[in-house]
Amino acid sequence: AQSVSQHNHHVILSEAASLELGCNYSYGGTVNLFWYVQYPGQHLQLLLKYFSGDPLVKGIKGFEAEFIKSKFSFNLRKPSVQWSDTAEYFCAVNIVGGADGLTFGKGTHLIIQP
Amino acid sequence: DTAVSQTPKYLVTQMGNDKSIKCEQNLGHDTMYWYKQDSKKFLKIMFSYNNKELIINETVPNRFSPKSPDKAHLNLHINSLELGDSAVYFCASSGQGRKLFFGSGTQLSVL
Repeated sequence: AQSVSQHNHHVILSEAASLELGCNYSYGGTVNLFWYVQYPGQHLQLLLKYFSGDPLVKGIKGFEAEFIKSKFSFNLRKPSVQWSDTAEYFCAVNIVGGADGLTFGKGTHLIIQP
Repeated sequence: DTAVSQTPKYLVTQMGNDKSIKCEQNLGHDTMYWYKQDSKKFLKIMFSYNNKELIINETVPNRFSPKSPDKAHLNLHINSLELGDSAVYFCASSGQGRKLFFGSGTQLSVL
């Protein structure tokens, strides 16, 4: 079965710092990839997704992620974080042609200090 | 031990039937949720329960009825199933920190 690893469980950064959150998955076939965000007290929102095409995808709020197939990775990046980016970030994978469900990573708790 | 477990993992049924999906969490969380994954793989909140009380009820047909016998369980009952109900349904829970812990999903196929 596929799995998704988010290596950083907690990340603390200062405002204006650059951000990179790691996400690796274990499946050799074709996948769809997602990053979801959960702001404090709110429900899950989709940040960005990769289905096919350009491996560098841009999402909302200045986030982007790069799909590197050879590394089975889909890391999330933002060049300059803001205090309002404090949230829980979830990476998720879906196997194309497989069962429909998403497999989630355990999440990364990001805290931005003013 | 699985933190959030939902059963069954796969559910295939005929239109018009009534079915239930069960969810249990052993994390001691106060809040549980049901999410529906749409055809584009996006998750959308359906219901949220806190200590057995409904606190969120998004726009879903009233054929969907969540039932929470205790704060560790939130079951989803669906009456008169329709083709459009085919989807993957995720249960989740959260504690005071509000971080979500997901179940592995139930793939519902209505024929």
